[in-house]
Amino acid sequence: GAVVSQHPSRVICKSGTSVKIECRSLDFQATTMFWYRQFPKKSLMLMATSNEGSKATYEQGVEKDKFLINHASLTLSTLTVTSAHPEDSSFYICSAREAGTQETQYFGPGTRLLVL
Amino acid sequence: KQEVTQIPAALSVPEGENLVLNCSFTDSAIYNLQWFRQDPGKGLTSLLLIQSSQREQTSGRLNASLDKSSGRSTLYIAASQPGDSATYLCAVSWVNTGFQKLVFGTGTRLLVSP
Repeated sequence: GAVVSQHPSRVICKSGTSVKIECRSLDFQATTMFWYRQFPKKSLMLMATSNEGSKATYEQGVEKDKFLINHASLTLSTLTVTSAHPEDSSFYICSAREAGTQETQYFGPGTRLLVL
Repeated sequence: KQEVTQIPAALSVPEGENLVLNCSFTDSAIYNLQWFRQDPGKGLTSLLLIQSSQREQTSGRLNASLDKSSGRSTLYIAASQPGDSATYLCAVSWVNTGFQKLVFGTGTRLLVSP
């Protein structure tokens, strides 16, 4: 089956630093990748949709200058949390849709970010 | 506003019981509905996907039903096992926002005790 990986799985950083999270589709090409955020005991909230070779589409209320998304290849999308603050601490999950398919999204294992 | 609600928030059952998880959604003009499983600190595993034109889908001990007119879906788990313990998430996509945009419910945390 299709596999999506994320790196790192956990990251602890100081307030004010930037953190980059990678999302890779390991055995398929993903024209579209999605970034979600999940707070403890809350549901997943879509942050942005990332299309290969074009700018990401951000959901209402998500700061695009705060959460930089790059989808430079068909197998890699990155999310950079710039000038991270404690309120950015969360579980970030990506998903990928295989090129040529319509509906199935394959989810990564998530990245837990803790900003001190 | 298009929302997804799941009840109960948590459920604890002994092994072997059959159980039902509930999902309700506003706006019946859905594209599809999916059920996912999430283990603690992990990503999501897709369990079942029901198209708007379908009434149910089955996979092994899992059966998901869809009633668009009432805005409800149920996930039925037969003969529950301790390995079924996880959080179950329902996610809906609507026609007007496209099949790609999933709106998730808050989930039901299931604990199956041996």
